[in-house]
Amino acid sequence: EAQVTQNPRYLITVTGKKLTVTCSQNMNHEYMSWYRQDPGLGLRQIYYSMNVEVTDKGDVPEGYKVSRKEKRNFPLILESPSPNQTSLYFCASSTPGVNQPQHFGDGTRLSIL
Amino acid sequence: AQSVAQPEDQVNVAEGNPLTVKCTYSVSGNPYLFWYVQYPNRGLQFLLKYITGDNLVKGSYGFEAEFNKSQTSFHLKKPSALVSDSALYFCAVRDDDSSSASKIIFGSGTRLSIRP
Repeated sequence: EAQVTQNPRYLITVTGKKLTVTCSQNMNHEYMSWYRQDPGLGLRQIYYSMNVEVTDKGDVPEGYKVSRKEKRNFPLILESPSPNQTSLYFCASSTPGVNQPQHFGDGTRLSIL
Repeated sequence: AQSVAQPEDQVNVAEGNPLTVKCTYSVSGNPYLFWYVQYPNRGLQFLLKYITGDNLVKGSYGFEAEFNKSQTSFHLKKPSALVSDSALYFCAVRDDDSSSASKIIFGSGTRLSIRP
């Protein structure tokens, strides 16, 4: 089954404790992206990757890092999480091209205390 | 710069009535427009897209959307609403301007509530 898998689905942690949210897709997609969803703000793009070893900032990259060492994986790293990063996070992937729809994971709810 | 606006936080419709969820956009190049639906505790699911060609686009679950270039709008429609259509709907835009083509901008979302 074609899917985007995120782990963990839920995480409660404390300020400053490094964490990684993993994202993996089995569709051989070149394009991958991370979003955060906050009430009233919709989805905002954090980082995206056009292919292996090619990443770029979205609209809200501060406080986040990503890497793309393999085509299927695109982890999101919070080196020193803060409470304002409490949010619902989504990973998505697609084939290249501006006309291609995104395939989304089921989300990761992060709470930073 | 790209932007998307969904002017209504919530739309309430009786089952069997037509529904419209509004979306307007701004891009510097040619627009590529998408609608997604989100059910509770799930990721977004693709409904339909506009690329070029017919201004009326048909998608999943009986939804359609009308592209209007002069009004820079891409409203989502359905002739007869079902209770199961109740969900959160997002409009998204990309454009083919080389400086911004890799970015995707989403609207703030519209919660659709269909009463029996």
